[in-house]
Amino acid sequence: DQQVKQNSPSLSVQEGRISILNCDYTNSMFDYFLWYKKYPAEGPTFLISISSIKDKNEDGRFTVFLNKSAKHLSLHIVPSQPGDSAVYFCAASTGNQFYFGTGTSLTVIP
Amino acid sequence: EAGVTQFPSHSVIEKGQTVTLRCDPISGHDNLYWYRRVMGKEIKFLLHFVKESKQDESGMPNNRFLAERTGGTYSTLKVQPAELEDSGVYFCASSPQWGFHQRESYNEQFFGPGTRLTVL
Repeated sequence: DQQVKQNSPSLSVQEGRISILNCDYTNSMFDYFLWYKKYPAEGPTFLISISSIKDKNEDGRFTVFLNKSAKHLSLHIVPSQPGDSAVYFCAASTGNQFYFGTGTSLTVIP
Repeated sequence: EAGVTQFPSHSVIEKGQTVTLRCDPISGHDNLYWYRRVMGKEIKFLLHFVKESKQDESGMPNNRFLAERTGGTYSTLKVQPAELEDSGVYFCASSPQWGFHQRESYNEQFFGPGTRLTVL
């Protein structure tokens, strides 16, 4: 049974607008959450993370929000750029094992 | 600094054959992970090495899969005999020392480009 779910397989956004990618999880023991970005034929690359003691972490254009009561995680990209077009995976960890979602393919339209 | 490398990038084999995938982690990284992604599905954990020891192999699908990390450097993942459902992209990732806290992203794993395995 999947513990981390990304229910939107794809998302299209106009350049300059905000992209919001969502992720839900089921295991309340997860204490660390990450977002990875993946281009075709490459491995995922780390984007941003948040520990369970926080509800927001910001890094430049990328902000991750954590709602523990709803077991929900989101990634905001603003402003979106064409180079942000990629597959985004959210991941959650209880220690050193990571559980990934199925990914959301983001297309930023110029 | 060289990243995580994987070899081969692609492998096409027939059902029943054997395939060995190799991963070279970032130098000095104690943690090495293997993952698999079947098309369109999640990236699924297979196992985790700390140096040469298997820390967690709960994600290995069955005993047709054998992972080794002799000397705590590179790792191999052997599938023998391969079945059709083994097709997918196999990723390797590495991260620094066990319990290493440097910044908030202490758990960051660095992924290799993956090996795409096709079993016919």
